[in-house]
Amino acid sequence: EAGVTQFPSHSVIEKGQTVTLRCDPISGHDNLYWYRRVMGKEIKFLLHFVKESKQDESGMPNNRFLAERTGGTYSTLKVQPAELEDSGVYFCASSQDPAGLSEQYFGPGTRLTVT
Amino acid sequence: TQLLEQSPQFLSIQEGENLTVYCNSSSVFSSLQWYRQEPGEGPVLLVTVVTGGEVKKLKRLTFQFGDARKDSSLHITAAQPGDTGLYLCAGGRNNSKLTFGKGITLSVRP
Repeated sequence: EAGVTQFPSHSVIEKGQTVTLRCDPISGHDNLYWYRRVMGKEIKFLLHFVKESKQDESGMPNNRFLAERTGGTYSTLKVQPAELEDSGVYFCASSQDPAGLSEQYFGPGTRLTVT
Repeated sequence: TQLLEQSPQFLSIQEGENLTVYCNSSSVFSSLQWYRQEPGEGPVLLVTVVTGGEVKKLKRLTFQFGDARKDSSLHITAAQPGDTGLYLCAGGRNNSKLTFGKGITLSVRP
């Protein structure tokens, strides 16, 4: 079974540009999460989808971030326009967890550098 | 305010030694996960504990969830260089977001 995949693995953009990150969850997983780790800090939650619906977007930093999951399969996270403080590693995770144990499986991450 | 404190932050030991690291919180979680992360990769799930006082073993790794479900420990017996990595604990509440600690960087010298 394929794990969570993310694209691209690295992205370097200039301040003010737009970047779109993609996440493909494990097949059949209804829950999809986005997290971010900035340098020196812990991994922090951004957003949770259940199928195509946003269940919790309390971690989204501001309206420059837009996440979508059309059709309830893969998800995209767009940053527009990017700022220097958006640099970090963006992780996607998925789970299919009726028992509510929050067992989430992570992708390798996308390292975003805004210059 | 960091909800999950992991200690120690860094640990360097010799192959064959035993070690225990900790994950502490003032909040109650319905479950707690331990992950291991290597450079350039995402966190890999090691174990989930859900019951207060629960102990789970994974080969040489022993995980314990505190009775009040606020803290956890990870004990490694006879550490090996392959155990080197970043160990993360994360608290969860019923299929929702995970709250992570900053992690413990473990280095096992041959």
